Amino acid sequence: SAVISQKPSRDICQRGTSLTIQCQVDSQVTMMFWYRQQPGQSLTLIATANQGSEATYESGFVIDKFPISRPNLTFSTLTVSNMSPEDSSIYLCSVEQGASGTRNDFGPGTRLTVL
Amino acid sequence: DQQVKQNSPSLSVQEGRISILNCDYTNSMFDYFLWYKKYPAEGPTFLISISSIKDKNEDGRFTVFLNKSAKHLSLHIVPSQPGDSAVYFCAASEIRAGSYQLTFGKGTKLSVIP
Repeated sequence: SAVISQKPSRDICQRGTSLTIQCQVDSQVTMMFWYRQQPGQSLTLIATANQGSEATYESGFVIDKFPISRPNLTFSTLTVSNMSPEDSSIYLCSVEQGASGTRNDFGPGTRLTVL
Repeated sequence: DQQVKQNSPSLSVQEGRISILNCDYTNSMFDYFLWYKKYPAEGPTFLISISSIKDKNEDGRFTVFLNKSAKHLSLHIVPSQPGDSAVYFCAASEIRAGSYQLTFGKGTKLSVIP
């Protein structure tokens, strides 16, 4: 399985500021995914990041709020912009492993608290 | 509208007994089903999966059963161990926008009591 690291592991931020989360994978992967887990909720897909193209966002998520970069096959960033307390969540990076969508591996997550 | 549902937010089981975690889904386009385990302050870890063309997959103490007609799957852990105490997420996979994407349930917190 892939080894995925995220920075920062946690942060406490003020309303109105932005935070960029980094995701590093130890192998080259085509697709990287960003998820959010709000307290007591399931993991929700924010967007899919394919190297060399614009990220594809799920319904309810927009590029202005969650800009994503994917400069190469092992790295991606997610920015949470103009934060509000409702953005307090765990943000998780994920990569596809195995054939035919049989599994995804996840990073350790970034726990974000917005005051 | 939740497409993957785990109706039990928590479950307590004695060590050595069987743990059964349940999951229901509504989307008939899902073609793979997965279970993940999550410890606090860690990301979800893949546990076991099953293709929609099968009805059972076994890996050591973990067995997943799929009932397509009922749109129901379950994870059996036997015997349960204290180290199995974690949140278990059911997930379903389908192709969307050219890639396989996962839809998760809300999770079931399993506590295995020594």
